[in-house]
Amino acid sequence: GAVVSQHPSWVICKSGTSVKIECRSLDFQATTMFWYRQFPKQSLMLMATSNEGSKATYEQGVEKDKFLINHASLTLSTLTVTSAHPEDSSFYICSAKPDRGASYEQYFGPGTRLTVT
Amino acid sequence: RKEVEQDPGPFNVPEGATVAFNCTYSNSASQSFFWYRQDCRKEPKLLMSVYSSGNEDGRFTAQLNRASQYISLLIRDSKLSDSATYLCVVNMYLGADGLTFGKGTHLIIQP
Repeated sequence: GAVVSQHPSWVICKSGTSVKIECRSLDFQATTMFWYRQFPKQSLMLMATSNEGSKATYEQGVEKDKFLINHASLTLSTLTVTSAHPEDSSFYICSAKPDRGASYEQYFGPGTRLTVT
Repeated sequence: RKEVEQDPGPFNVPEGATVAFNCTYSNSASQSFFWYRQDCRKEPKLLMSVYSSGNEDGRFTAQLNRASQYISLLIRDSKLSDSATYLCVVNMYLGADGLTFGKGTHLIIQP
């Protein structure tokens, strides 16, 4: 089956530092990947759509200069949280849409738990 | 109005019982509908897609009512391993593949 990995699984960083999260599709190519965020007891919220070879599309209210997305290859997208603050602490989950497959298919990574102190 | 609404529960149900969850969505032009399952501190996993004609996968039955903008999930003969949060998920916008998630319904199956 389709596997998506994320690294790191969890990270604790100090306020003001930047954190990079990687999302990889291990056995399929994905021109399109998605980044979601989930706060405790809340639903997953789509942050942005990442497209290989072009700029990401951000959802309303998500600062593109704070959450930098780079989709450099068909199997890798990265999310960099710049100048992280405690309110950025959350569970960040990526998903990847296989280039070959049903239009609705998305496979989720295991998530990255970010804690900013 | 929230885009995808679910009763958060928790639903405490004895093993072997039948339980049903409902979900409503706000955008009548929504394209695709799904139920995902999310275990504590894990990523969501696709349980099943939901079709207008209704569909069944083993003990799980999903139904969609487009007129009422309403989706349901029925679990029969519930198992302890069914304990999880069930997320109602909708692809709302034509041309966009990002998913809109409900907050989830927490289900606890009791022995």
